[in-house]
Amino acid sequence: KAGVTQTPRYLIKTRGQQVTLSCSPISGHRSVSWYQQTPGQGLQFLFEYFSETQRNKGNFPGRFSGRQFSNSRSEMNVSTLELGDSALYLCASSHGRANYGYTFGSGTRLTVV
Amino acid sequence: AQKVTQAQTEISVVEKEDVTLDCVYETRDTTYYLFWYKQPPSGELVFLIRRNSFDEQNEISGRYSWNFQKSTSSFNFTITASQVVDSAVYFCALSEAAPGGNEKLTFGTGTRLTIIP
Repeated sequence: KAGVTQTPRYLIKTRGQQVTLSCSPISGHRSVSWYQQTPGQGLQFLFEYFSETQRNKGNFPGRFSGRQFSNSRSEMNVSTLELGDSALYLCASSHGRANYGYTFGSGTRLTVV
Repeated sequence: AQKVTQAQTEISVVEKEDVTLDCVYETRDTTYYLFWYKQPPSGELVFLIRRNSFDEQNEISGRYSWNFQKSTSSFNFTITASQVVDSAVYFCALSEAAPGGNEKLTFGTGTRLTIIP
């Protein structure tokens, strides 16, 4: 079966712009989680959506937001980009509980200049 | 709050040597899950193993083995007869299971493993 698809793979944006990243989970999975990976902070949890509802949120400013559609595809949006937002953004697909595990996509590498 | 510590930042071994990656975790919950992921240069996190807090049985999968010890809060990963393809960054992660489903993975800082041919 198809894996987790994240688009775009690479993105370059200018400071102050906004960006939208997309994640299509594995068919049948209703949970999508987003993580930010930077050399300085490592892998940090952004938020999780399950059946179109945000269930859990990490410690990130309000500039980071997300949503999930009825087909479980999820988008995350970052407004007013800062240089520090440059990172690899990974999404994880799951049935919704830790005991089912998490499958990650290849990520979107965002560079803010 | 939960925490995962991978004290080894970088490890280099010669091909065919055995190598153990350490992982120590902290959690207040009695029900939790531990994971190991491999991250090759492409960036994707590749799932290796999931272990729940009630199952302390060690596991072996080919050249990979995992040693889970609740008494020391450790979940170590050993690669036997290492190969160049094992070169990657390895992450240990912890997830607490909650009735409402509010779970997230807390990752360690990762161990960069380099296998020298």
